[in-house]
Amino acid sequence: LAKTTQPISMDSYEGQEVNITCSHNNIATNDYITWYQQFPSQGPRFIIQGYKTKVTNEVASLFIPADRKSSTLSLPRVSLSDTAVYYCLVGDGRSGGSQGNLIFGKGTKLSVKP
Amino acid sequence: AAGVIQSPRHLIKEKRETATLKCYPIPRHDTVYWYQQGPGQDPQFLISFYEKMQSDKGSIPDRFSAQQFSDYHSELNMSSLELGDSALYFCASSLGLRNTEAFFGQGTRLTVV
Repeated sequence: LAKTTQPISMDSYEGQEVNITCSHNNIATNDYITWYQQFPSQGPRFIIQGYKTKVTNEVASLFIPADRKSSTLSLPRVSLSDTAVYYCLVGDGRSGGSQGNLIFGKGTKLSVKP
Repeated sequence: AAGVIQSPRHLIKEKRETATLKCYPIPRHDTVYWYQQGPGQDPQFLISFYEKMQSDKGSIPDRFSAQQFSDYHSELNMSSLELGDSALYFCASSLGLRNTEAFFGQGTRLTVV
């Protein structure tokens, strides 16, 4: 699996846009990029997934450049409730094979202040 | 909508005892993952199952074993418990072996004393 690198922590204020970048230099052709959010003592929650260019849903946007060696999770107008750890995962989400794992690396602890 | 259900939510065991954690995936989900998360740590992948067969194995100790049953629920069996096994154990399920959109349960907090 491709190794991912994210900032350990980020601080923001309510109402700001937050961009968290993840590096995945060894991403494979079949790999998708998936982001999860985790609050303390809760299980991770799927946020968004993409393969290339831009994906947007009601929660966030995911920007993936053409070389796919990095991706940026964008959270618009964060609130205090967005304080959480955010994980970037890279893996094969669509093709066949015997592999079945979701590996969480070191996430980014986002602190949103009033 | 139905979510992943884990039981028990809390469990206290003594050293060298055994523990069994249960996971009930979302209906029709065929893949189950188990994770261990210590205090201040990131979730560590333990093991996964697809269609009742072990799919992949991570950092699961030899003292632990798991299986997925015919109704797709899964159990994580932990023996000879150690203080270091105290952690949150999460189960997740997905539809399809390589679907990276997984749904996590609320976890079982295991405390070994």
